[in-house]
Amino acid sequence: NAGVTQTPKFQVLKTGQSMTLQCAQDMNHEYMSWYRQDPGMGLRLIHYSVGAGITDQGEVPNGYNVSRSTTEDFPLRLLSAAPSQTSVYFCASSYSATLNTEAFFGQGTRLTVV
Amino acid sequence: LAKTTQPISMDSYEGQEVNITCSHNNIATNDYITWYQQFPSQGPRFIIQGYKTKVTNEVASLFIPADRKSSTLSLPRVSLSDTAVYYCLVGPGGATNKLIFGTGTLLAVQP
Repeated sequence: NAGVTQTPKFQVLKTGQSMTLQCAQDMNHEYMSWYRQDPGMGLRLIHYSVGAGITDQGEVPNGYNVSRSTTEDFPLRLLSAAPSQTSVYFCASSYSATLNTEAFFGQGTRLTVV
Repeated sequence: LAKTTQPISMDSYEGQEVNITCSHNNIATNDYITWYQQFPSQGPRFIIQGYKTKVTNEVASLFIPADRKSSTLSLPRVSLSDTAVYYCLVGPGGATNKLIFGTGTLLAVQP
């Protein structure tokens, strides 16, 4: 099983550019989420989805959009990149949105905005 | 969601047992306690989860006292490869299933 796959692994953007970070899972998981991790800090929740067609905001949603048109995919869009969005982004999925189940994380996307 | 407090860092030597304690004084009745491990440049990985008393798996043990205001992750006979950041999370098994991470405990295992 591939698990949770994130692409790209690395990306450099110029301020003001837009891009989409891809996340796909092949475990038929109901719940998916996006986190960012800044140096020396824990992960902060950006957006999450409890199922196809349903998304909601986490702790730090400003500057990011998400959609969940299929169970497998949960892309994160940066609308107009800013240096403050330089971070490592992790996508996660878990089997259920209503049970306290194990979360599986992708390998991360390291984004630099210059 | 209940706030957690854990040591910023710990040092150990290979072969020792390591105990990392997490404080969660405001834990709610329906909250579970979950520990994740994160290596550099990787996403977190689930280690263990519990609600009360003791839980053991092939990797670790989790001890939770009766009042559930703290928990202890126990790693038996650590090796260099156990050097990582360990996160204690407390939260409900509710509809959102959100995970709230603190800064974690950096465990450094030396030869």
